[in-house]
Amino acid sequence: GAVVSQHPSRVICKSGTSVKIECRSLDFQATTMFWYRQFPKQSLMLMATSNEGSKATYEQGVEKDKFLINHASLTLSTLTVTSAHPEDSSFYICSAGTSVKDTQYFGPGTRLTVL
Amino acid sequence: AQRVTQPEKLLSVFKGAPVELKCNYSYSGSPELFWYVQYSRQRLQLLLRHISRESIKGFTADLNKGETSFHLKKPFAQEEDSAMYYCALSSSGSARQLTFGSGTQLTVLP
Repeated sequence: GAVVSQHPSRVICKSGTSVKIECRSLDFQATTMFWYRQFPKQSLMLMATSNEGSKATYEQGVEKDKFLINHASLTLSTLTVTSAHPEDSSFYICSAGTSVKDTQYFGPGTRLTVL
Repeated sequence: AQRVTQPEKLLSVFKGAPVELKCNYSYSGSPELFWYVQYSRQRLQLLLRHISRESIKGFTADLNKGETSFHLKKPFAQEEDSAMYYCALSSSGSARQLTFGSGTQLTVLP
C-alpha cells in the first residue's frame, strides 16, 4: 500500500509554455502533499506544502505565481510550471502524507526539460 | 531554523565491512529523524525512523541528542546496499514537513 504516482514521468517543452505535473495517492487519502525539486547529484529542496482544499504554503524563494499548486482532492495535487524557462529544468518530486500514517510516501519524480 | 548535515557526499566500503553514514542536525525543538534511501532508478523510500527503534535490512540508527547526531550503521555491508542515502528531520505537527540532508552515495565494492 501507500503508493504515489506522478504523471508524466518525463516532459520536454519549449520555453514560454506551461507544464502541468500530477501527483496522485493511489490507495490512501493524502491530507498533505509536498512538492520538491532535485538538482543533479543534490538533495531534495522543498518547494511547497499543500493541504487539501486550501492554498499551498511556499518555501522562501519559490515563486508562487510561477509554480502553481492545486490540491483539489485528497488523492490529487498538481504542480503547474508557468512560462517555463530553461532554468526550470529539473527533477520534480511529490510526496504525500497523512497525520495517521505519520510519514511521507514519495512519487517516482518527473523530469522536466525546457528547451 | 532546522538543518541536516551529511558530511560525506561519497562513501565506498568493501562487501562485508562495517559502514557508517554520518548525519548531524540542528533543531530547536524535539526532533524526529529519518533515513531515506534511493536505489538506482527508483523512488525515494523510507528506510527507518528513530522513534521506531527498528532495524531494517540490517541498518540501525540511534538518536544521540547530546551530539545531535543520527548516524546510520550496518555491521556487514552488502553490494545491494549501494544507493543514495538521505537523512531527514521532521518538524512537529501533522504536516510532517521534512528537511533533507545533502545525501551520501554509498558504494559497496565486491
